[in-house]
Amino acid sequence: EVVLTQSPATLSLSPGERAALSCRASQSISTNLDWYQQRPGQAPRPLIYGASYRATGIPARFSGSGSGTDFTLTISSLEPEDFAVYYCQQRSHWITFGQGTRLEIK
Amino acid sequence: EVQLVESGGGLIQPGGSLRLSCAASGFIVTSNYMSWVRQAPGKEPEWVSVFFPGGGTNYADSVKGRFTISRDISKSMLYLQMNSLRDDDTAVYYCARGGWSTYFDLWGRGTLVTVSS
Repeated sequence: EVVLTQSPATLSLSPGERAALSCRASQSISTNLDWYQQRPGQAPRPLIYGASYRATGIPARFSGSGSGTDFTLTISSLEPEDFAVYYCQQRSHWITFGQGTRLEIK
Repeated sequence: EVQLVESGGGLIQPGGSLRLSCAASGFIVTSNYMSWVRQAPGKEPEWVSVFFPGGGTNYADSVKGRFTISRDISKSMLYLQMNSLRDDDTAVYYCARGGWSTYFDLWGRGTLVTVSS
């Protein structure tokens, strides 16, 4: 099983700041890595697929990078609605999710 | 409108059975990977099962032999038959388009399954 480790577990930032969320895979997964945002009481929302491609309707302030085992989700300038939980997910060897990073308002 | 709507969740005793349904609209189910993904309270999502466009299926080890995924093309429906339910099956169950080789690009709102005596 591919284990995805996200860091940090919680990130405290202010609106307007830049956020960088990390996801590390226990083995190489090429670019078969996707990112989701989840707000309380809602289903996960796709943000990035294939490590770096924005999903439909996702603002340009969201970007993804990485390949192999190390991946990053970057939010260039935080908006109030961006404070949520973020999950990475791999689909290279079966399907697994990371444990999540909670982005909270500082 | 392109959407997925789940139903069928509820409170069930350990060892019981439940069937979840997912109504798809606005797209062709048979042309897509269709999955069930669950999320236990306070935990990350967990992929459960996938129905391939060509008709095959696959399951997570945690549910293999207990859960069965199926679809009704004429009704644009996806189902999840859950047998021998255990406490650790308690979760919100989401129907999602995608899985396996594609990302989950469309999610339903979920249906809550609570396994408890």
